[in-house]
This record gives sequence, C-alpha cells and structure tokens, in this order.
Amino acid sequence: DQQVKQNSPSLSVQEGRISILNCDYTNSMFDYFLWYKKYPAEGPTFLISISSIKDKNEDGRFTVFLNKSAKHLSLHIVPSQPGDSAVYFCAAAGYGGGGNKLTFGTGTQLKVEL
Amino acid sequence: KAGVTQTPRYLIKTRGQQVTLSCSPISGHRSVSWYQQTPGQGLQFLFEYFSETQRNKGNFPGRFSGRQFSNSRSEMNVSTLELGDSALYLCASSATGENNSPLHFGNGTRLTVT
Repeated sequence: DQQVKQNSPSLSVQEGRISILNCDYTNSMFDYFLWYKKYPAEGPTFLISISSIKDKNEDGRFTVFLNKSAKHLSLHIVPSQPGDSAVYFCAAAGYGGGGNKLTFGTGTQLKVEL
Repeated sequence: KAGVTQTPRYLIKTRGQQVTLSCSPISGHRSVSWYQQTPGQGLQFLFEYFSETQRNKGNFPGRFSGRQFSNSRSEMNVSTLELGDSALYLCASSATGENNSPLHFGNGTRLTVT
C-alpha cells in the first residue's frame, strides 16, 4: 500500500516558468514532510521540509505548501532552471518519538527545457 | 566536511550468495539509515541505527540485516540473494536521527543479482 503517492511520473516545464510537483499521502499520522532531489548516479539531496503545524515554507526559489485536510503537498520552483532537471521525491515522517523512518513517493522526473 | 561514503559502488552477485555493503556517515552523525531503491518503487526503508542500536525496521525479510559500529560506520548484509534484490542501496546519515534532522545520502551501491 503506497502511503505517499506522486501520481505524475514526469513533468516538463520551460525555463523561467513555474514548476509544480504534487504529492498525496494517506497516513494521517505523518506530521513532517520533505522534498529530495536526485540526479542520476547520485544519492538524493535534501531540498526543503515542512512541519504539519505550518502550511507553507519557503527557501529561495523553492516553496512547499501543505494542505492537511486534503492530505496533499506541493513543491513550487520559481523560476525553473535547466539545472533543476532531476527526479524529485516527496517523503513523509510520522511522530514516533525519534528515529528517522521516511516513507518516500515514487518520484517525479522534472525536465526544464530551454 | 566529507559526505556519506558507500562502498563498493557496484556489485554483481549470483543468486544464493550473500553480500555486505558498507557505509561511513558524515563525521559527527550518529544515525544511519538504509534504503532500497528499485524502478517504480521509490525508496523503501530498510532499517535505522543509532548508537549501535537498531531503532526502526522496515518491512523486509530477515535476510536483510545490518549493524552499526562504535564509530557510527554501518554495514548492511543480505543473505541468500534473490534476483529481486537487484537494486540501488542507499545509506543516509543524520545528526540526531529525529524526523526534523534531514537525511544526507551517499551515492549508493548498485547491486545486480544474476
């Protein structure tokens, strides 16, 4: 049972435009959400995170929005750059008194075209 | 600061054999987690160690095991290899192992079982 879903396996965006990557989750115990970026032949790199007590977190060109009632989060990249082309993974963690155990989505391949 | 180092980068094994993968976390990080990445499945949590103790375990058979040493270095062992164990195995470390302490991933070990 996939508790974290990224329903779009791929997304293509023009340079300078906004990229919106979506993620849905089913487990209401998740209370911390993260986005990772992965280039080929490299491990995932942490991008941005958000706690369930917030609905928005910004870091430069990256903004994550959380809609708890809909169990949905999104990552906005503005403006998109060719170097942003990568696979983006959404991940979720639950309150568990410690211990890193992330549940990942299957990833969205973002391609930023010139 | 050196990142997470995983060795070897590539491995080819035969069904029925066993394999040991190694991970050196970022200096000062006490939590080490292991993930399996296969096409279409995203990253799936294997286990997490903190101060030489396994704190969390994913839904993998007992053929998958791990350990952590006093210097925080970790090893993962898979016995009686099956074709379906072919995957990218990622190790990640974090400072505290708490949910809000982002994981830093290594570049992974690509295991191929023939």
